[in-house]
Amino acid sequence: EVQLVQSGAEVKKSGESLKISCQGSGYTFPNYWIGWVRQMPGKGLEWMGIIYPGDSKTKHSPSFQGHVTISADKSISTAYLQWNSLQASDTAIYYCVRENNGYFDYWGQGALVTVSS
Amino acid sequence: EIVLTQSPGTLSLSPGERATLSCRASQSVSSSYLAWYQQKLGQAPRLLIYGASSRATGIPDRFSGSGSGTDFTLTISRLEPEDFVVYYCQQYGSSPWTFGQGTKVEIK
Repeated sequence: EVQLVQSGAEVKKSGESLKISCQGSGYTFPNYWIGWVRQMPGKGLEWMGIIYPGDSKTKHSPSFQGHVTISADKSISTAYLQWNSLQASDTAIYYCVRENNGYFDYWGQGALVTVSS
Repeated sequence: EIVLTQSPGTLSLSPGERATLSCRASQSVSSSYLAWYQQKLGQAPRLLIYGASSRATGIPDRFSGSGSGTDFTLTISRLEPEDFVVYYCQQYGSSPWTFGQGTKVEIK
């Protein structure tokens, strides 16, 4: 059974750094793109970017380029989303997703990130 | 970037009725690379349809997708109580992948 298990909720202050994780299981992790999707409170879904764990190649949405870093460690089947300096506007639920030829066939449970100013 | 516009924003129907949700793209979506997702309150979205019309594994056949180019439709043939939630379309024909703003299906 394919599963994506994300790290837990985080509460941070503006300016702090954060790295959240997503561990995949039940499939060959290096062979599928893993992505991140943001959902701000009461809002819709936004694609942030993806990484191919096999060679760590990434693609970013222009809206998020330069503000977040996407990485992966294929040896432990885990992808990461990282911020160096959080802003209050980063408060959202972040979902990791397995990309299958462009669409997202499996989703993690989501990680709520709350940033206070 | 391709902008997806979903309509209506909210659809008010009764159980057993047919629901028709629209997703219109600002430019043609190549190869019908269009997906639909369902999101229940407090849960992660779930893939319903990919390739505009292919049902994902385990999705009931009351859900169907159609369309091509710039106009796509998700149809729920007979609404069940658990179908009254939010639906999103997503295009993956042109990077960056983008989502529509969602359609909420509510009980009338």
